[in-house]
Amino acid sequence: QKEVEQDPGPLSVPEGAIVSLNCTYSNSAFQYFMWYRQYSRKGPELLMYTYSSGNKEDGRFTAQVDKSSKYISLFIRDSQPSDSATYLCAIAGGTSYGKLTFGQGTILTVHP
Amino acid sequence: SAVISQKPSRDICQRGTSLTIQCQVDSQVTMMFWYRQQPGQSLTLIATANQGSEATYESGFVIDKFPISRPNLTFSTLTVSNMSPEDSSIYLCSVERQGRDTEAFFGQGTRLTVV
Repeated sequence: QKEVEQDPGPLSVPEGAIVSLNCTYSNSAFQYFMWYRQYSRKGPELLMYTYSSGNKEDGRFTAQVDKSSKYISLFIRDSQPSDSATYLCAIAGGTSYGKLTFGQGTILTVHP
Repeated sequence: SAVISQKPSRDICQRGTSLTIQCQVDSQVTMMFWYRQQPGQSLTLIATANQGSEATYESGFVIDKFPISRPNLTFSTLTVSNMSPEDSSIYLCSVERQGRDTEAFFGQGTRLTVV
């Protein structure tokens, strides 16, 4: 079993749709949860991070963590074609928040 | 955020040769990380590089294949040694920035093709 599982998609939605991206993890020691966006031929860009269970909102993006279920989500409201990218969940715990375990990434396409 | 510069951005190399990738950060950081992203795959941590100590390698990665230097708090190099086509990947440098919150940032990556 992989430590972090993420549905690779691909996911295709119309502009304006609400997008839900999800990951599950197996190790309850994980305590730091991040979402990255990666455009083609670019490095990952940190979108959001959170330490605790619950919701964290930033503009059109909401990160949700449920530690009891070991489940994390990223919601994108009013999706735009510029949101088309690969979205990666990343999880860390223990001694360093820079030692990340990544999900497989979900390829998202938002079409006009 | 941290500004991370990687060189080269891409390279095509002959099998059996070695390539050294440089990572420069715009401020001092304690920990730097090297990741590999194989074609169509997610990121896998290769090693953690702390200034003044030997790099710590993850399972499946060894120093002879991926020697790392960390001469100061803003710079690191990763060498991919004795390359084979299986080493064709994107190699990414990452830093951990500690402050009010701790965040991890990535460089743009080095796209390596081994022929």
